[in-house]
Amino acid sequence: GENVEQHPSTLSVQEGDSAVIKCTYSDSASNYFPWYKQELGKGPQLIIDIRSNVGEKKDQRIAVTLNKTAKHFSLHITETQPEDSAVYFCAARVNINTGTASKLTFGTGTRLQVTL
Amino acid sequence: NAGVTQTPKFRILKIGQSMTLQCTQDMNHNYMYWYRQDPGMGLKLIYYSVGAGITDKGEVPNGYNVSRSTTEDFPLRLELAAPSQTSVYFCASVPGVAKNIQYFGAGTRLSVL
Repeated sequence: GENVEQHPSTLSVQEGDSAVIKCTYSDSASNYFPWYKQELGKGPQLIIDIRSNVGEKKDQRIAVTLNKTAKHFSLHITETQPEDSAVYFCAARVNINTGTASKLTFGTGTRLQVTL
Repeated sequence: NAGVTQTPKFRILKIGQSMTLQCTQDMNHNYMYWYRQDPGMGLKLIYYSVGAGITDKGEVPNGYNVSRSTTEDFPLRLELAAPSQTSVYFCASVPGVAKNIQYFGAGTRLSVL
């Protein structure tokens, strides 16, 4: 089955600096890669995603890049702010049950701390 | 629009007790999922459902059961609680297989002592 590895497990940056979180996946059939932000005591919230036919996607201060050949994708946050502090999860989606359903496999998370 | 609602938010169980974690969504989504999240780990899929009356096992189904009698509700049942089931449980829903975004509930924190 799919295996997603995520690094680093913790990341501390100063406000205004950039943060980069990297993930690798194992199943070449994975076709969709979302990133979730989880704040304390809450469920994960989708912040950005990318499909397998796209190499890069940007939404204001966040961007995601995908290298299908190398099977890795990364989250980039620029001009970080204290409210960016949270746990970030990457995930990879594969179709299952002959395409009637899909499944997300999650990375182990990165705790981002943005300091003043 | 409430989205995905999970109850209870917290629960403490004794070993061997049973309970049902409730999940309901008001978005008319066909696909629903149950995950558990252990400390410092990602989410692991327990069970999923592609529609009313249809459920299937995920990666870690042992010790759990689910049912899907309606589109809205997808309860998760623990029959004989064990300490290894101490975790945070998240329910999620998706409109359909071509729609990618999973909408998560706020979670249920369960401790088995």
